[in-house]
Amino acid sequence: SQQGEEDPQALSIQEGENATMNCSYKTSINNLQWYRQNSGRGLVHLILIRSNEREKHSGRLRVTLDTSKKSSSLLITASRAADTASYFCATVRGSTLGRLYFGRGTQLTVWP
Amino acid sequence: GAGVSQSPSNKVTEKGKDVELRCDPISGHTALYWYRQSLGQGLEFLIYFQGNSAPDKSGLPSDRFSAERTGGSVSTLTIQRTQQEDSAVYLCASSREGLAGGNEQFFGPGTRLTVL
Repeated sequence: SQQGEEDPQALSIQEGENATMNCSYKTSINNLQWYRQNSGRGLVHLILIRSNEREKHSGRLRVTLDTSKKSSSLLITASRAADTASYFCATVRGSTLGRLYFGRGTQLTVWP
Repeated sequence: GAGVSQSPSNKVTEKGKDVELRCDPISGHTALYWYRQSLGQGLEFLIYFQGNSAPDKSGLPSDRFSAERTGGSVSTLTIQRTQQEDSAVYLCASSREGLAGGNEQFFGPGTRLTVL
């Protein structure tokens, strides 16, 4: 069953703009991870944020986590055409460590 | 080093036939996971191995689905008497350890299964 819900479902921006994707979840978590998928195959891990963290950075990526609102956001700054992909948030619950619960994803299109 | 590999990359089969999907995790990764991705259902967890045992197989959709892992390495997902609704991309992932949590999972390229 799905755990998270991302919004928007689709996002279309120009190169150089920032892209913000949001994720909400329903139950308490151990950590939340963001993944990227190109062309329907091969997910790539982007960043992990633990439940006791509020913000994390990795290169052009910035992730925030608000456990009181059960939500997270992924910001990609200065987007590039190569960032075009589907982005998924996934949670790890304390009761079932290991397995990931995925949201339905945001399809990001960055136009050159 | 090599990433997670899966074979075959594509499989077309007829309804009612059995299929076997293979996953080779990253060497040294003790945890292995199977997921499937379909248009209607998104990304669904199927089963999780820690070593050769499967502490969580709650995501297997029916008794037609089974999986095993041998030698703490290669895993095989078997679907018996395939149905059209089994058509999906089957993704395998591995991580250094699963029970402690908080480890990123490395995904293979997937096997696209089409049941005619």
